Amino acid sequence: DVVMTQSPLCLPVTLGQPASISCRSSQSLVHRDGNTYLSWFQQRPGQPPRRLIHKVSRRDSGVPDRFSGSGSGTEFTLQISRVEAEDVGVYYCLQGVRWPHTFGQGTKVEIK
Amino acid sequence: EVRLVESGGGLVQPGGSLRLSCAASRLIFTDCWMSWLRQAPGKGLEWVANIKQDGSEKYYVDSVKGRFTISRDNAQNSLYLQMSSLRVEDTAVYYCACWFDYWSGTYWGQGTQVTVSS
Repeated sequence: DVVMTQSPLCLPVTLGQPASISCRSSQSLVHRDGNTYLSWFQQRPGQPPRRLIHKVSRRDSGVPDRFSGSGSGTEFTLQISRVEAEDVGVYYCLQGVRWPHTFGQGTKVEIK
Repeated sequence: EVRLVESGGGLVQPGGSLRLSCAASRLIFTDCWMSWLRQAPGKGLEWVANIKQDGSEKYYVDSVKGRFTISRDNAQNSLYLQMSSLRVEDTAVYYCACWFDYWSGTYWGQGTQVTVSS
């Protein structure tokens, strides 16, 4: 299975400051169709997951532009340009290239 | 507004069975790869099973192979997960999800709780 490793696992942030989460995959996430199937999800407390980013850097509909994704191959990053209170929750990366599709362990974002 | 509504969860003893359902509305169900995912209490997310738009391909995570069966009824816009030989470690919130346009879009339900306990 493709192992997805996130860091850090806990990220205390100051409101209005940037935040960054890393995700590393044990294998390349480039599909034979040329796309890289790496997504980022946000899960607020008590809520189902919500996808923020797909194919590394494409924001889903309705996602604020303070969220951005980057990376290639096996190394990926989710950045929040200025953290707001509503961004508190757990963030997961997900690979969709090989079955079984696998998630990272999750990064808990909390306000300092 | 697109809706995916899971049902069928509950409390079941180890070794028992449950059938989960997911009713979809206001989306083109036949455009969707459909999936079941789960989240154990206090844990991360796990992808359980996938089924192609026409039901011709199905995939399962190893931990549920031979015990769970994913199916769909496109005429009823519904997705199912038949779970048997349930184990304590199957306790989780189960989510159904639609993936369309080569993963460009996705919709998720609110989840249904499955508890396996004696």
